[in-house]
Formats: sequence, C-alpha cells, structure tokens
Amino acid sequence: AQSVTQPDIHITVSEGASLELRCNYSYGATPYLFWYVQSPGQGLQLLLKYFSGDTLVQGIKGFEAEFKRSQSSFNLRKPSVHWSDAAEYFCAVGAGGNQFYFGTGTSLTVIP
Amino acid sequence: DAMVIQNPRYQVTQFGKPVTLSCSQTLNHNVMYWYQQKSSQAPKLLFHYYDKDFNNEADTPDNFQSRRPNTSFCFLDIRSPGLGDAAMYLCATSREQYSNQPQHFGDGTRLSIL
Repeated sequence: AQSVTQPDIHITVSEGASLELRCNYSYGATPYLFWYVQSPGQGLQLLLKYFSGDTLVQGIKGFEAEFKRSQSSFNLRKPSVHWSDAAEYFCAVGAGGNQFYFGTGTSLTVIP
Repeated sequence: DAMVIQNPRYQVTQFGKPVTLSCSQTLNHNVMYWYQQKSSQAPKLLFHYYDKDFNNEADTPDNFQSRRPNTSFCFLDIRSPGLGDAAMYLCATSREQYSNQPQHFGDGTRLSIL
C-alpha cells in the first residue's frame, strides 16, 4: 500500500539556521510529490511540487526540495529560516489515478 | 485574485443540531474537496466532486453530506453533529481529479460543538 512518512513530528530551529524536513514515501513507481505549508488557523498552501525532470525543485518562500529515487525521499530544505516560517509542513504524494496521500505533518518552531 | 473562500471561519453549533459549511471558488476548477482536520493531524478526505459527480470516501460517516449546486459552490452538511465532529473543515479545489494536480485550499472553518 502507498504511504507517506514524515519521521519528525516536531522540529525546533534558530532563526537564520538551515532547515531540512524529511519525507519518505512508499510507492512502486515515481509518484507526484508535493510540499504544503499550513500556518496556524489557515488552510494549506502549496510550496512546491515534483513530477519529473530535474530532481531539485525550487518553490516559494525560498524553499527547495530534492527527489532521491534511491532513498524514496523528497526532503524539504531552506538555507536560512525566518520566524515567519513557523508552521505545520505536510508532504503529500500523488500515486496515480486519483490517489493522493498526506503525511502526518511536521510542526516547525523557530526560536529567536 | 482567484481563490477558495470558506464561510464562516468559525462555527459553533449544538450537539445534534444540523450545520452547513460553505465553500466557493473563483478558479473555475472541476474538482472540489472537503477535508476534516483534527488538531495536529493531517487532513482527512471526506469526499470530493468532479464536476457534478460525487465521490464519497469509504470511511466517511453517513452523518456527513455534501452538495454542489454549481461549479463555484460546494456545501458540507453535518446532519447531527457529535462532539467528535469538532474539527477544522478544509475545502480545496483542483483543475482535474488526477493525482498530479496541486490542490488549492481555503482557510478553513473551525467547527465547535457545545
């Protein structure tokens, strides 16, 4: 069965530090991969997506993610975190047809 | 700006009293979704419409219904809310119902049950 795993429930980083949020998926073929961000009390906003081609994709707000087929991963990165990046981050996988799965999310806290 | 709008942002209802949440979109997307999200959890898909075709998830309780009178509007009806239905309800749209389609979300309606 297809699944999405975000191993880190909660991460705390200092403002200005680099960030990496992990996402692993289980799917037989190359899935469609997405990262969404949810600020408190708001809906989800698409940060970036990967379908094919260059495995390093750039998104909004200075985020990027790298698809690694050998590791079944699609980790989200940002070189320098801002206080406004504190939010919940969801990895999501489109597994063909209309199958779409969210991970359980990683909550990011940014300390001054 | 084209967007997905949910009303109201906050809704309080009484145990067992029917409630309707609304969603409208200006994106002219074919697909509209309703998700339930409880605290610190991922959104859980309740159902979606592809145009006028209704698709219910297997584990969505019968207590939850939906209507889509036209392309722009979609409603979530909870016939007899229980305490366990208190949650954030998110509406989303996508151009098509394929899994490669990004979804565009509204800001949600937070439902409280007294």
